[in-house]
Amino acid sequence: EAGVAQSPRYKIIEKRQSVAFWCNPISGHATLYWYQQILGQGPKLLIQFQNNGVVDDSQLPKDRFSAERLKGVDSTLKIQPAKLEDSAVYLCASSLDGITGELFFGEGSRLTVL
Amino acid sequence: GNSVTQMEGPVTLSEEAFLTINCTYTATGYPSLFWYVQYPGEGLQLLLKATKADDKGSNKGFEATYRKETTSFHLEKGSVQVSDSAVYFCALTAGSEKLTFGTGTRLTIIP
Repeated sequence: EAGVAQSPRYKIIEKRQSVAFWCNPISGHATLYWYQQILGQGPKLLIQFQNNGVVDDSQLPKDRFSAERLKGVDSTLKIQPAKLEDSAVYLCASSLDGITGELFFGEGSRLTVL
Repeated sequence: GNSVTQMEGPVTLSEEAFLTINCTYTATGYPSLFWYVQYPGEGLQLLLKATKADDKGSNKGFEATYRKETTSFHLEKGSVQVSDSAVYFCALTAGSEKLTFGTGTRLTIIP
């Protein structure tokens, strides 16, 4: 069974530029998550989708971050404009039902903002 | 709100040593508790879980017991191997609340 796919794995941009990350969850998983993991910290939930609807985006900085999940499958996370403090690994995860806490993570996309 | 406090690392042990990584939590209601592991160059993956008090989760020789009286979920392994070198995250979810992670503990096993 294919795992969660993410791209790009690495991205370096300058502040005020924009960047987009893509995620393809495990087939059949209804719930998709984007987490931000800053060096030395645990992952922090940015947004949770159930199919193509948003369940929780309370910690998403909506002035610069946006995310969508079209057709309830793939998802993109965009940052525009980027700030230095956005340097982090962006993790995508999926789960069958969003209830059990059993998440399957991708390898992450490492963003460096200069 | 919900929170998880993990033993700070890094932790360095010799092969075959006994491992304990402490984890305590604060939560409303009755949380489910998890240990996730991140091996070098790989994504986070679920190691074990426990969904109610006194439950013991186990996998790959690791164990953790859900202790409601001490609000703890310490991770243990009797004899670690070099291949156990990774970052370990304690986490919890309560009801439909989002999964909340601790800060992670980096473990290095020396041959």
